Amino acid sequence: QKEVEQDPGPLSVPEGAIVSLNCTYSNSAFQYFMWYRQYSRKGPELLMYTYSSGNKEDGRFTAQVDKSSKYISLFIRDSQPSDSATYLCAMTGTGFQKLVFGTGTRLLVSP
Amino acid sequence: DAGVIQSPRHEVTEMGQEVTLRCKPISGHNSLFWYRQTMMRGLELLIYFNNNVPIDDSGMPEDRFSAKMPNASFSTLKIQPSEPRDSAVYFCASISPAVLSGNTIYFGEGSWLTVV
Repeated sequence: QKEVEQDPGPLSVPEGAIVSLNCTYSNSAFQYFMWYRQYSRKGPELLMYTYSSGNKEDGRFTAQVDKSSKYISLFIRDSQPSDSATYLCAMTGTGFQKLVFGTGTRLLVSP
Repeated sequence: DAGVIQSPRHEVTEMGQEVTLRCKPISGHNSLFWYRQTMMRGLELLIYFNNNVPIDDSGMPEDRFSAKMPNASFSTLKIQPSEPRDSAVYFCASISPAVLSGNTIYFGEGSWLTVV
């Protein structure tokens, strides 16, 4: 079993839809949770960063962490075609260097 | 800042040849990572350096892979001899010391390797 599980998609939605992306994990030592966005033929770039449980909002993006369920989510409101990309969750414990990534979910937002 | 710089961006080589990938981290970042990305396995950490010293190379697939960081501004990942199953995108990434402030790993644009 992988430490981090993520549905590869693709997830296709119309413009303006609310998107929900999710990851589950098995390592209870994980405390830092991130979402990266990766456009085609580019490197991943940090989108959201949260510590421990709770919610964090940044514009159209909301990250949620439920450590009791070992489940994290990224919500995108009013999705735009420019949001079309692969979204990777990543997490680590106190030893930050060991960042473990999900395989990524490919999101397609159609005009 | 120019970001993490990787070269070459694309490499096509024949099986058995030596491949060297290069990385220049962001100035001031003291940790450097090499990742490999494939469709099947996603992003896998191969090795990371802290202050130019290799800390964990448990992700390096086998002895054909080696990595060096001779100074704070340069690292190489070498595959010798290369095999078709090494075909992947290889990312270099670096991080600043201020990780708890919300700064995190910055990735280069990757080196796309195809071994035929």
